[in-house]
Amino acid sequence: ETGVTQTPRHLVMGMTNKKSLKCEQHLGHNAMYWYKQSAKKPLELMFVYSLEERVENNSVPSRFSPECPNSSHLFLHLHTLQPEDSALYLCASSSPGGSNYGYTFGSGTRLTVV
Amino acid sequence: EDQVTQSPEALRLQEGESSSLNCSYTVSGLRGLFWYRQDPGKGPEFLFTLYSAGEEKEKERLKATLTKKESFLHITAPKPEDSATYLCAVQAQRGTGNQFYFGTGTSLTVIP
Repeated sequence: ETGVTQTPRHLVMGMTNKKSLKCEQHLGHNAMYWYKQSAKKPLELMFVYSLEERVENNSVPSRFSPECPNSSHLFLHLHTLQPEDSALYLCASSSPGGSNYGYTFGSGTRLTVV
Repeated sequence: EDQVTQSPEALRLQEGESSSLNCSYTVSGLRGLFWYRQDPGKGPEFLFTLYSAGEEKEKERLKATLTKKESFLHITAPKPEDSATYLCAVQAQRGTGNQFYFGTGTSLTVIP
């Protein structure tokens, strides 16, 4: 375990379903991130929260909705997804502005949209 | 355009056969270059941070080096357990904050 825990590890959902991904860290970090990882593409930054405020939203479709209730928890709410949204979704945390170790990543949620 | 390019895309080595992975970047305002290891079905795991040209870091069979335009990850006498995808990321200053630029990774397979 890296200190960043993501659940579930695997998720299969239909295009009309609503589901949520959860991320939890107890490293004392106060910046948290959602990334999308697709085959043969660089990691795509989706959302950044710093001190529980969303500071970045990289033109992500509205079918993805983040929530950060406190500095230790981050959610990604999913609804009416498309098959092209199938990917590995990674949560990461860091000190604001980064640190000598960059990000600490969770193990990811492998999402399949059918 | 800010870009991080890793090569080769995939590399197969015999156990004990040393080689190098390349990460070239065209990112201004470099604050750090990071190497991560990613095993299948897992998130990236931190390996090294390099801050300035000429810097080197070592960990077991891995050594990372940095120049002004690229970084190399040298693998000496690899073992099958070194098989993984190796990701490079550049952290750059943007305004009052930082931004990370990731490469697409090199998938390394070490054959016994």
